[in-house]
Amino acid sequence: SAVISQKPSRDICQRGTSLTIQCQVDSQVTMMFWYRQQPGQSLTLIATANQGSEATYESGFVIDKFPISRPNLTFSTLTVSNMSPEDSSIYLCSVGQDSGNTIYFGEGSWLTVV
Amino acid sequence: GNSVTQMEGPVTLSEEAFLTINCTYTATGYPSLFWYVQYPGEGLQLLLKATKADDKGSNKGFEATYRKETTSFHLEKGSVQVSDSAVYFCALSDSTNAGKSTFGDGTTLTVKP
Repeated sequence: SAVISQKPSRDICQRGTSLTIQCQVDSQVTMMFWYRQQPGQSLTLIATANQGSEATYESGFVIDKFPISRPNLTFSTLTVSNMSPEDSSIYLCSVGQDSGNTIYFGEGSWLTVV
Repeated sequence: GNSVTQMEGPVTLSEEAFLTINCTYTATGYPSLFWYVQYPGEGLQLLLKATKADDKGSNKGFEATYRKETTSFHLEKGSVQVSDSAVYFCALSDSTNAGKSTFGDGTTLTVKP
């Protein structure tokens, strides 16, 4: 199974600032995704991180707010821009293997915006 | 589009009780089905999976069978422990949808000694 490392694991951020979350996978993967889990809620897909091209965003999420990079097949970043308390969530990196038959998650990045 | 409907929680059981958490799905393709577990203060861990009809996924005493005729993937465990207290998420991944996962709302399980 893929081993996914996320940094930071936790952070407390000031309103109006931006934070970049890193996701490193121990093997090359085609499919890489970013999810958000708001307190007490289920997971919502933010975007698919495409290697070498712009990310594909889900409805309700935009590049200006959540810019994503994917420079290679093992690494991606998600930036949460101009944060507000509503952005306080767990942000999870996910990878798909076996043509999507197996999906793994990182431990998540727990962000609190004050 | 794809969707996953999970049994509403929270669920509270006594230790050694039998557990069932219901999960049904709708999907346009031929999905793989998953159960994830989230322990307090932690991320999601893959608990078990099934990739085709009639497959049974199992792990740590938990089981779930992929039932295509009823579009279900119910999670069961014969005897729960206090350490099983967590939030359980049913999910599907559809290869025709580029591997994106769709999640249920999660079911909180509390096991009391």
